[in-house]
Amino acid sequence: RKEVEQDPGPFNVPEGATVAFNCTYSNSASQSFFWYRQDCRKEPKLLMSVYSSGNEDGRFTAQLNRASQYISLLIRDSKLSDSATYLCVVNMRGSARQLTFGSGTQLTVLP
Amino acid sequence: SQTIHQWPATLVQPVGSPLSLECTVEGTSNPNLYWYRQAAGRGLQLLFYSVGIGQISSEVPQNLSASRPQDRQFILSSKKLLLSDSGFYLCAWSVLFRGDGYGYTFGSGTRLTVV
Repeated sequence: RKEVEQDPGPFNVPEGATVAFNCTYSNSASQSFFWYRQDCRKEPKLLMSVYSSGNEDGRFTAQLNRASQYISLLIRDSKLSDSATYLCVVNMRGSARQLTFGSGTQLTVLP
Repeated sequence: SQTIHQWPATLVQPVGSPLSLECTVEGTSNPNLYWYRQAAGRGLQLLFYSVGIGQISSEVPQNLSASRPQDRQFILSSKKLLLSDSGFYLCAWSVLFRGDGYGYTFGSGTRLTVV
């Protein structure tokens, strides 16, 4: 089983749609969670951290379910500029050594 | 401000040729540094990480090596490139995000094509 698993997609949605991505992780000791965004042929960039209480940043909402070892990202009112690959990322507490990346979910927002 | 520089942006090299990719960071001291590779259509694979000068840990056996000659410099090398070394190479450093844990900031990457 992969340490971090994501649905690879692709997700093709019309502008204005709401889309949700899911991610599961295998290590119950994991403590920090992030969503990164990677545009085509570019480096990944941090989109948002994920907190146990859930957090929202504009049109983006991230949720964490520790019991199910499950992370989600919801994008509301999709824009063309949201088209990218979204990476789920997990880190163990106090471990600056490395993060574990999912293979990414590809999103294309269509006009 | 803290920045990370990586070069070159693109590189086309023949099989059997040597490789040297450089990464430098500014605005911090004693960072944890990482080299990742992303093959076409694939996820990120950790190649090496370093917690200090001269300290290198390798995550996967391969045709590559890494060195950290200075605190803020991380170099990825190969003596003889293979076709399978083609990919997108990313340097990164650990950043503590608002006390929530360590995330990464990535350099802009080097796209290597071995021909």
